[in-house]
Amino acid sequence: DAKTTQPPSMDCAEGRAANLPCNHSTISGNEYVYWYRQIHSQGPQYIIHGLKNNETNEMASLIITEDRKSSTLILPHATLRDTAVYYCIVRVSSNTGKLIFGQGTTLQVKP
Amino acid sequence: KAGVTQTPRYLIKTRGQQVTLSCSPISGHRSVSWYQQTPGQGLQFLFEYFSETQRNKGNFPGRFSGRQFSNSRSEMNVSTLELGDSALYLCASSPGDLAGVGEQYFGPGTRLTVT
Repeated sequence: DAKTTQPPSMDCAEGRAANLPCNHSTISGNEYVYWYRQIHSQGPQYIIHGLKNNETNEMASLIITEDRKSSTLILPHATLRDTAVYYCIVRVSSNTGKLIFGQGTTLQVKP
Repeated sequence: KAGVTQTPRYLIKTRGQQVTLSCSPISGHRSVSWYQQTPGQGLQFLFEYFSETQRNKGNFPGRFSGRQFSNSRSEMNVSTLELGDSALYLCASSPGDLAGVGEQYFGPGTRLTVT
């Protein structure tokens, strides 16, 4: 699975969009980009995933660049409850549940 | 649907003892994965079980083992506990098939303290 690089921390004002970047320059053609987040002392929570097209669900949007070497998770209207560590994971969608977590980005949403 | 449940939530053990942690996946999910989270190493994959068979294993010593029952419930066991085994142990379940395997649903974890 490809390695990812994320900034260690970011701040965002409450109500504004939070844009979390992730670099995955060694991604292969059959590898997906997954995003999870972990709120303090809880288990990680699945957010969204994509292959090459942009994706949107009720939680967030995922923008993947055309060359697929980077992506951005967008929380359109961040709230204080979105304060968490966000993990970007690149993996092949094979029949295995193994996820390799990096250090993630700590997002602090401020009032 | 009920989420992933883990028992116990907190546990204190002494070095040299052994411990068993339990995980009940979301109804209908056949894959259960276990992770260890520590401040120094972050979240690390331990192993995955699918249909009662270990499907994948991380880089942990043989003291860490697991099993899965026919109802998909899973247990993990750590023998001869060391201080460094103090961690949050997380269980995650997924449908297990190709379509949804990357979407894992995590339980609240078991906080193990070894003294």
